[in-house]
Amino acid sequence: SYELTQPPSVSVSPGQTASITCSGDKLGDKYACWYQQKPGQSPVLVIYQDSKRPSGIPERFSGSNSGNTATLTISGTQAMDEADYYCQAWDSRPVVFGGGTKLTVL
Amino acid sequence: QITLKESGPTLVKPTQTLTLTCTFSGFSLSTSGVGVGWIRQPPGKALEWLALIYWNDDKRYSPSLKSRLTITKDTSKNQVVLTMTNMDPVDTATYYCAHTVVEDAFDIWGQGTMVTVSS
Repeated sequence: SYELTQPPSVSVSPGQTASITCSGDKLGDKYACWYQQKPGQSPVLVIYQDSKRPSGIPERFSGSNSGNTATLTISGTQAMDEADYYCQAWDSRPVVFGGGTKLTVL
Repeated sequence: QITLKESGPTLVKPTQTLTLTCTFSGFSLSTSGVGVGWIRQPPGKALEWLALIYWNDDKRYSPSLKSRLTITKDTSKNQVVLTMTNMDPVDTATYYCAHTVVEDAFDIWGQGTMVTVSS
């Protein structure tokens, strides 16, 4: 079965750029999306179709997808961005989620 | 404005069947391309996709749970129902339903409902 691999944790200083990766076989051939989940809350879509931002998502969130890796980039990271982030893709019908990355803003 | 809300029992016994209902508003499941999915999250763990149903009654299931899951829709009631048989303590999780369009992201999620499996 298809798998998406994320680093368990990423740390970033306020104002710096955070990058969270998601790896999967030929992931670049599929659309990837990203969700943000804060404690006790439902996931929120922050990037879809590799690099598009839903309405209301700040411009500091961006995404890319090529080869075997999709990347979520948060520029000028703020304390409010501290959360768990999950990537997701479709693999010939089934939906697949990554294992999640805890972003800590130190 | 699209909203979804999950409902169902908070506690089920091992071996029982779980039935969850997703009641939604702001869209119709008879509109081409529209779908509703179910995703769960055990405490402290990652999201896990369970099932998905589309406007045309196309149904998709997680390969690892397919034998235990059934997803149905009632377009007139704006509801999607998920049943999971033979519940086990490892199925303890928050269960979410979410809106999607064909092979795209889950753009709107419900608040989730916590289900505990215990005797």
